Amino acid sequence: GAVVSQHPSRVICKSGTSVKIECRSLDFQATTMFWYRQFPKQSLMLMATSNEGSKATYEQGVEKDKFLINHASLTLSTLTVTSAHPEDSSFYICSAREGGISLYGYTFGSGTRLTVV
Amino acid sequence: AQSVAQPEDQVNVAEGNPLTVKCTYSVSGNPYLFWYVQYPNRGLQFLLKYITGDNLVKGSYGFEAEFNKSQTSFHLKKPSALVSDSALYFCAVRVHASGGSYIPTFGRGTSLIVHP
Repeated sequence: GAVVSQHPSRVICKSGTSVKIECRSLDFQATTMFWYRQFPKQSLMLMATSNEGSKATYEQGVEKDKFLINHASLTLSTLTVTSAHPEDSSFYICSAREGGISLYGYTFGSGTRLTVV
Repeated sequence: AQSVAQPEDQVNVAEGNPLTVKCTYSVSGNPYLFWYVQYPNRGLQFLLKYITGDNLVKGSYGFEAEFNKSQTSFHLKKPSALVSDSALYFCAVRVHASGGSYIPTFGRGTSLIVHP
């Protein structure tokens, strides 16, 4: 089945630095990818929808200058947390669906645990 | 607004007993419903979905869910629980995202604990 690879799985960074998280579809082309954030023992909150070759669409309340999303190819989307602060510490999960398939094929990456110290 | 609700934060069950994790939905039109499972520090794994057809949907790892339109429910069930089933379970419904795509929106999750 479809596989989404997310890297890194864990990252610890200093406050004020930037962190890039990669999300790759390994065996299919993902025209659309989604980035979620999950706080401990809470549900996933959609941050943004990333479309290949165009600007990402951010959900209300998500700072686009803080969370930069790039979807430069059909197999790669990146989320960069800029000038990270401790409150950005969270679990970030990407999801992708194969182009042309409406909603059956949502596949999730394994997540990235970000800790900002 | 289209949403799902998981009324239980935690479900405890003894190994070998049947388990039920509850989900109710609120959507306009025909619902597209999903169940996902999440193990610690991992992403979500798809278990099963209801789009149309038989109300009883069978999925991965012996799980099944019953779509009940009159009760607007989509409860997850398994006849005999395993300790390894202990995880966080999310019910989801398809909604429109701001970008126009259809995405799953999730309930708050239910922690399933299966005791040996």
